[in-house]
Amino acid sequence: EAGVAQSPRYKIIEKRQSVAFWCNPISGHATLYWYQQILGQGPKLLIQFQNNGVVDDSQLPKDRFSAERLKGVDSTLKIQPAKLEDSAVYLCASSLGLAGGYNEQFFGPGTRLTVL
Amino acid sequence: AQTVTQSQPEMSVQEAETVTLSCTYDTSENNYYLFWYKQPPSRQMILVIRQEAYKQQNATENRFSVNFQKAAKSFSLKISDSQLGDTAMYFCAFMKGLNNAGNMLTFGGGTRLMVKP
Repeated sequence: EAGVAQSPRYKIIEKRQSVAFWCNPISGHATLYWYQQILGQGPKLLIQFQNNGVVDDSQLPKDRFSAERLKGVDSTLKIQPAKLEDSAVYLCASSLGLAGGYNEQFFGPGTRLTVL
Repeated sequence: AQTVTQSQPEMSVQEAETVTLSCTYDTSENNYYLFWYKQPPSRQMILVIRQEAYKQQNATENRFSVNFQKAAKSFSLKISDSQLGDTAMYFCAFMKGLNNAGNMLTFGGGTRLMVKP
């Protein structure tokens, strides 16, 4: 079974530029998460989707970050404009999203963003 | 809000020895899950072990076991017979108990473990 796919794996941009990351979850997984992992820290949730609806985006800096999951499968996370402090690894995770029980989250390899 | 604290930024252990990684957490929830995740260098995060808060018995997965002290809000990971492949960042994580289809993970800051030959 294919895992969570992310692209690109690495991205270097200048500050104030825009960037987009793509995630393809495991087939059949209804819940999709984007986490930001700053170097030396644990991941922090940015946004959670259930199918194509947003469950939690309370920690997403909405003035510059946006995310969508239009058809309830793939997702795109965008930063516009980027700041130096956005340098991090952006992790995508997915889970089955079945109500009433534990759903393991499976992580992708991440996209390492460097903002110069 | 939940917080997860890992007080050991770095640890090292000799191959075949045993090492224990510490984690404490703070929550007002009664139903929750605790996890240890492994993140090898430049590789993706994988689940090592899971503990349900309602279970008194400590979880075990082969060489990995936990010491779950609910009253003390402590959740340590013991790795027995350490192997070179255990070298990685280890993250302790918390998830609220589920009444719906999915909940976020709250991670600690991580412990970098180096297994020495």
